[in-house]
Amino acid sequence: NAGVMQNPRHLVRRRGQEARLRCSPMKGHSHVYWYRQLPEEGLKFMVYLQKENIIDESGMPKERFSAEFPKEGPSILRIQQVVRGDSAAYFCASSPPNSQTTGELFFGEGSRLTVL
Amino acid sequence: AQTVTQSQPEMSVQEAETVTLSCTYDTSENNYYLFWYKQPPSRQMILVIRQEAYKQQNATENRFSVNFQKAAKSFSLKISDSQLGDTAMYFCAFMKQNAGGTSYGKLTFGQGTILTVHP
Repeated sequence: NAGVMQNPRHLVRRRGQEARLRCSPMKGHSHVYWYRQLPEEGLKFMVYLQKENIIDESGMPKERFSAEFPKEGPSILRIQQVVRGDSAAYFCASSPPNSQTTGELFFGEGSRLTVL
Repeated sequence: AQTVTQSQPEMSVQEAETVTLSCTYDTSENNYYLFWYKQPPSRQMILVIRQEAYKQQNATENRFSVNFQKAAKSFSLKISDSQLGDTAMYFCAFMKQNAGGTSYGKLTFGQGTILTVHP
């Protein structure tokens, strides 16, 4: 059973470009979460999605950031008009529908975004 | 809102010895989970141990154990017989438990403690 797959692992963008990060959850998992880790900091919650629904986006910046988890295909975190402050590692995690009593999340290896 | 504080930015220990990493948290919730995650240089987040707040017994996983003090809002991690592969950043994390025992993966992380195990 493959783990949570994120790609690309590394992405370099110039200021003003768009960044798209993809996450395929573990097989059988229908809940996806995105976290951001700035240098020398802990992970910060961004958004929680289920298939075709955004459940909690309280950690998402109000502008330029969006996330989706379509019925088919991976979850996408999209950052428009990137700025240097967006440089960070972006982690995706997933959990199965019946994990709500355990709380355990399974993390991907992260996507490192560098904005020049 | 919850906060998680790890007051030790860096710790070091000799191989085979024991080390304790500190974590305190602040919450008005009564039901929640606490976690310790390990992040080695590969940056993969690996779950080390999990504690449910309603359980008085401290969780243990092989060489890893916790000292959970609910009243003091303290959740320390003890690593026994430290190994070189334990070198990593360790994060303490909090997750609220909703009514009915459900929860979802909105974790609040501490700032992390870099642990170095020396041969």
